[in-house]
Amino acid sequence: DADVTQTPRNRITKTGKRIMLECSQTKGHDRMYWYRQDPGLGLRLIYYSFDVKDINKGEISDGYSVSRQAQAKFSLSLESAIPNQTALYFCATSDLRWPDTQYFGPGTRLTVL
Amino acid sequence: AQKVTQAQTEISVVEKEDVTLDCVYETRDTTYYLFWYKQPPSGELVFLIRRNSFDEQNEISGRYSWNFQKSTSSFNFTITASQVVDSAVYFCALSEDYLRSGAGSYQLTFGKGTKLSVIP
Repeated sequence: DADVTQTPRNRITKTGKRIMLECSQTKGHDRMYWYRQDPGLGLRLIYYSFDVKDINKGEISDGYSVSRQAQAKFSLSLESAIPNQTALYFCATSDLRWPDTQYFGPGTRLTVL
Repeated sequence: AQKVTQAQTEISVVEKEDVTLDCVYETRDTTYYLFWYKQPPSGELVFLIRRNSFDEQNEISGRYSWNFQKSTSSFNFTITASQVVDSAVYFCALSEDYLRSGAGSYQLTFGKGTKLSVIP
């Protein structure tokens, strides 16, 4: 079984809809991250969390919110989706002892019409 | 601010050729970490290597090798005798010194990626 899982893997939604992307991990890592990937732009950090009570904004947090429900779960929400949020979204985790090395989930492809 | 530049947007090689993917980085930290990730057509991101700024030894893993040169701020990746399965987008990434940042604004900075196509 994969160490970092993301659901759904693909999602098509309409402008204005609320959507939640979920991430679960069995690696026992403290730190979790959400990135988005756009063609030609690489990955950009949306939010990150060092533990359940610690949430931090990344480079492009506007229009997004997150929830760290447990050490193993980190959800990303789009309160009112817009077309330019169409992207590939990745969740990642890292160990407190080696926080620089991040392990990524399989990605969620989100399309906002 | 940190920056990672992968100047090669796309590269095509014929199978069995060697290919080098370039990565140049900028950072004001004296301690930092460099990474390469592979993204095959299926979309997942696969961790390939981590190198810290104090270790300039080249590393070889099978057909993969990495050349880290602090003097030129480069961390290049070479695939020897390329294979079709090597076709993917490759990302170079840089992280700051987490010991300094502590609970501050920790971030992994990615380059924009190089798409490698290996032609049979």
